[in-house]
Amino acid sequence: EAQVTQNPRYLITVTGKKLTVTCSQNMNHEYMSWYRQDPGLGLRQIYYSMNVEVTDKGDVPEGYKVSRKEKRNFPLILESPSPNQTSLYFCASSSQGNYGYTFGSGTRLTVV
Amino acid sequence: AQRVTQPEKLLSVFKGAPVELKCNYSYSGSPELFWYVQYSRQRLQLLLRHISRESIKGFTADLNKGETSFHLKKPFAQEEDSAMYYCALGEVVSINKFYFGSGTKLNVKP
Repeated sequence: EAQVTQNPRYLITVTGKKLTVTCSQNMNHEYMSWYRQDPGLGLRQIYYSMNVEVTDKGDVPEGYKVSRKEKRNFPLILESPSPNQTSLYFCASSSQGNYGYTFGSGTRLTVV
Repeated sequence: AQRVTQPEKLLSVFKGAPVELKCNYSYSGSPELFWYVQYSRQRLQLLLRHISRESIKGFTADLNKGETSFHLKKPFAQEEDSAMYYCALGEVVSINKFYFGSGTKLNVKP
């Protein structure tokens, strides 16, 4: 089944403890992207990648890192999480941006 | 600057009534526009994109460049249409850069 898989689905962590949210797609898509979803703000793009080793900042990149060493994987790294990064995170992939994205099921992160 | 505006947080209609979810955008070039839907406890799904001029689940959306709008319409709402709807804009130059509206919750009452 063609899909975008994120792990974990739920994560509670403490301020300052580094964490990684994994994202993998099995559709051989070139484009991948991370979003955070907050009430009243909709989805905001954190980082995106157009291919292996090609990444760029979205609207809200502060406090996040990404890497794209392989086409299928696009992990999101929080080096020193803070409570304002408590949010619902979505990973998405696309063969071409203007065909629209396929989204993962989301990761609910709570930073205490 | 906010690229995509969805002015209604919540829209309630009765089953069988017409639905219009509003989306306005701000972009100087030719944008790529999309509607996404998120049903309860499910992931976001692409509903339709303006370049394909398609009708999905009875929904249509027309790009009006003069009014910079991309409203989503359906002539007869169904209860299963109840969901969050997000309008999204993709930059043509950097197609991977996307902007989403804050979403409209559609509630279709029986």
